[in-house]
Amino acid sequence: EAQVTQNPRYLITVTGKKLTVTCSQNMNHEYMSWYRQDPGLGLRQIYYSMNVEVTDKGDVPEGYKVSRKEKRNFPLILESPSPNQTSLYFCASSLSWGAGELFFGEGSRLTVL
Amino acid sequence: GQNIDQPTEMTATEGAIVQINCTYQTSGFNGLFWYQQHAGEAPTFLSYNVLDGLEEKGRFSSFLSRSKGYSYLLLKELQMKDSASYLCAVVSGAGSYQLTFGKGTKLSVIP
Repeated sequence: EAQVTQNPRYLITVTGKKLTVTCSQNMNHEYMSWYRQDPGLGLRQIYYSMNVEVTDKGDVPEGYKVSRKEKRNFPLILESPSPNQTSLYFCASSLSWGAGELFFGEGSRLTVL
Repeated sequence: GQNIDQPTEMTATEGAIVQINCTYQTSGFNGLFWYQQHAGEAPTFLSYNVLDGLEEKGRFSSFLSRSKGYSYLLLKELQMKDSASYLCAVVSGAGSYQLTFGKGTKLSVIP
């Protein structure tokens, strides 16, 4: 089944404890991206990647890192999480940019205490 | 910067037609998406417009006017399951491919 898989789906952590949210797609998509969704603010893009080893900042990259060492995986790294990073995170992918449909993962709800 | 506006909430009656508008001001333009998102779930793709005009897909249609920075999503024969948030998103250009979402329009379909 074609899908985008995120892990963990739910996580409660404490300020400063490094964490990684993994994202994997099995559709051989070139384009991958991360978003956070907060009440009243909508979905905001954190980082995106046009292809392996090519990443770029979205609207809200501060406090986040990403890597794209292989085509299928695009992990989101929070080196030192803070409470303002408490949010619902979505990973998404598409065949290539301009190829239309963006497929979203199920989301990862992160709480930073 | 990027600015995308859509109404916060709308209410419509089952069986009716509703139009959700989206206006945008972005640096460059490479296309506009509409997504549906039910509460607590991931967004699902509805349409992608790059050229001006109307695109129809079953009960859903999407219109784009690039010169006016305007799009709308038209939902016909509304069903209760259409109660959801509808997200407008614009792909900016000029060397980058950022995707900026509007804050979404929460549609409530009532009997």
